Amino acid sequence: DTAVSQTPKYLVTQMGNDKSIKCEQNLGHDTMYWYKQDSKKFLKIMFSYNNKELIINETVPNRFSPKSPDKAHLNLHINSLELGDSAVYFCASSQNLGGDEQYFGPGTRLTVT
Amino acid sequence: QQQVKQSPQSLIVQKGGISIINCAYENTAFDYFPWYQQFPGKGPALLIAIRPDVSEKKEGRFTISFNKSAKQFSLHIMDSQPGDSATYFCAALLSGSRLTFGEGTQLTVNP
Repeated sequence: DTAVSQTPKYLVTQMGNDKSIKCEQNLGHDTMYWYKQDSKKFLKIMFSYNNKELIINETVPNRFSPKSPDKAHLNLHINSLELGDSAVYFCASSQNLGGDEQYFGPGTRLTVT
Repeated sequence: QQQVKQSPQSLIVQKGGISIINCAYENTAFDYFPWYQQFPGKGPALLIAIRPDVSEKKEGRFTISFNKSAKQFSLHIMDSQPGDSATYFCAALLSGSRLTFGEGTQLTVNP
């Protein structure tokens, strides 16, 4: 029933490790996004995919690599984790690129120790 | 040109009062202005939105006022309730492009 789901909800890991976050949407949307929300709650877009094609790639370290195996999935892989990567990561989707309403997942709280 | 400035950063209101959150934007090409509501531990969810061809939109206790000439818009929550306590984000969209969010306002409604 969940429109946009993410796994895991919590992720605690040590510096230098590699981790992945998975996202799935069952809304039939064409566009998916990754956002980072820092400790001050600021929401910043990281990536956007439209029909499996990378559209937006903000100034994000290349340690972050998104992958979209199909329209319904957008995963985020992070290499060599750093303390500053600690944040809540949200996946979202919209009907199409620049679509009016974006539907957000529940978030993945990443803590790097 | 892509910035959206939001104020205040935090707001405390008594139950039954009016909560007002303001946003200002720079890019006159923005054509859609949504407000998102985020409860602790949850993702943001669309609350109400407006397009620049109207000056006001009301849905229940929530109203957006839009001033195109001043490049400002605001969210008014009438008869604020403790259940309204959340973080509110204004945003602006350029058609076919990305959503730009304001910095967020932490609203607390005291019983």
